[in-house]
Amino acid sequence: EAAVTQSPRNKVTVTGGNVTLSCRQTNSHNYMYWYRQDTGHGLRLIHYSYGAGNLQIGDVPDGYKATRTTQEDFFLLLELASPSQTSLYFCASSDSGTGGQDTQYFGPGTRLLVL
Amino acid sequence: SQWGEENLQALSIQEGEDVTMNCSYKTYTTVVHWYRQDSGRGPALIILIRSNEREKRSGRLRATLDTSSQSSSLSITAAQCEDTAVYFCATDAYQGGRALIFGTGTTVSVSP
Repeated sequence: EAAVTQSPRNKVTVTGGNVTLSCRQTNSHNYMYWYRQDTGHGLRLIHYSYGAGNLQIGDVPDGYKATRTTQEDFFLLLELASPSQTSLYFCASSDSGTGGQDTQYFGPGTRLLVL
Repeated sequence: SQWGEENLQALSIQEGEDVTMNCSYKTYTTVVHWYRQDSGRGPALIILIRSNEREKRSGRLRATLDTSSQSSSLSITAAQCEDTAVYFCATDAYQGGRALIFGTGTTVSVSP
């Protein structure tokens, strides 16, 4: 069973605050993804990466930066958090290949509240 | 949007009943994923059906794919209370096939 962990699990910050969400996968997967989940929108892709040092822009990237430091670690950065970024954030990973054809394994999620 | 208008938001059924949820998409895809999300957890893949397959079964789950009408369905036979979850379909018609695009999900509630 693929393992994806996220930290923190819950985070509260204020408008303008600086937040880093962490994700680690221990399955040597090439692809890693950051999603946000909001009621009525399902899962929306923020950024993804297919290897250390690589970053691809997703569907809703505004206000977010991301960095893939190693095969295992993918970080999502909110440098000036806004209330509109209050959401449930998921990280996922998938094996090599075309990414979209492979099973994605999701972490448990981080609930972020921006006051 | 990638998705058609007939993707249901919520279904409520009783234990033992069968349930089917549909997913229609607008852009050609080579694969449809079906994920299940339990309350407080991340989504987990339950069935993946490729464009060269018309039907796929896994236990009480059955997925179909009709590439001509660009639609997929997921059926649960003899639903149990533990089938209560949100079910998402996703296609790879996105980012050159390197990422998935998810539908908004169908909430299935199974009562005793």
